[in-house]
Amino acid sequence: NAGVTQTPKFRVLKTGQSMTLLCAQDMNHEYMYWYRQDPGMGLRLIHYSVGEGTTAKGEVPDGYNVSRLKKQNFLLGLESAAPSQTSVYFCASSYRSLSGNTIYFGEGSWLTVV
Amino acid sequence: AQSVTQLGSHVSVSEGALVLLRCNYSSSVPPYLFWYVQYPNQGLQLLLKYTTGATLVKGINGFEAEFKKSETSFHLTKPSAHMSDAAEYFCAVSPLELTGGYNKLIFGAGTRLAVHP
Repeated sequence: NAGVTQTPKFRVLKTGQSMTLLCAQDMNHEYMYWYRQDPGMGLRLIHYSVGEGTTAKGEVPDGYNVSRLKKQNFLLGLESAAPSQTSVYFCASSYRSLSGNTIYFGEGSWLTVV
Repeated sequence: AQSVTQLGSHVSVSEGALVLLRCNYSSSVPPYLFWYVQYPNQGLQLLLKYTTGATLVKGINGFEAEFKKSETSFHLTKPSAHMSDAAEYFCAVSPLELTGGYNKLIFGAGTRLAVHP
């Protein structure tokens, strides 16, 4: 049962470098999300997608871009990494339906920007 | 705007003792309510959720939570703590209506539970 899979799990970047976090889900979910987790702040939504080919900004989108070319994949890009983007990133997915659906999370990607 | 407050960023209990993690929400209309658990270096796992029906909700690993509309609370409890319960716990709310076309989930800051022998 793969569920939501994220790669890589750990990464260290230098300021100004770029990278892409990959997310794949095998549950045929329509909705996908990228969150970041910082100490004492819970999880905050970066970007989300309600279907293949569509993306939208969440609560903290600045400095990130996303793409959803296939229903099962949701990519998060950092074009020019900054130390403030040091965080744990979680991809998640859910069915498209009424509110209250369970959101399923991946195991996280630990990113350090030095 | 909806918000979630978890009282106590750290809670420490003895093995076998009652676990009580507090969560209050602010909303004019009661939302859907969730508790997630995060074990060290892992993702979030759903413990339980309240959408409709019985206000006492039972989840995995012996946890349960009670929705109290009058108190705008959704506290998480477990009668007897186990060492394996040590983790971070997040309360979250989701509006009744689909907001912005997606399942909006608003998280509290989290409570780290420590269980000592």
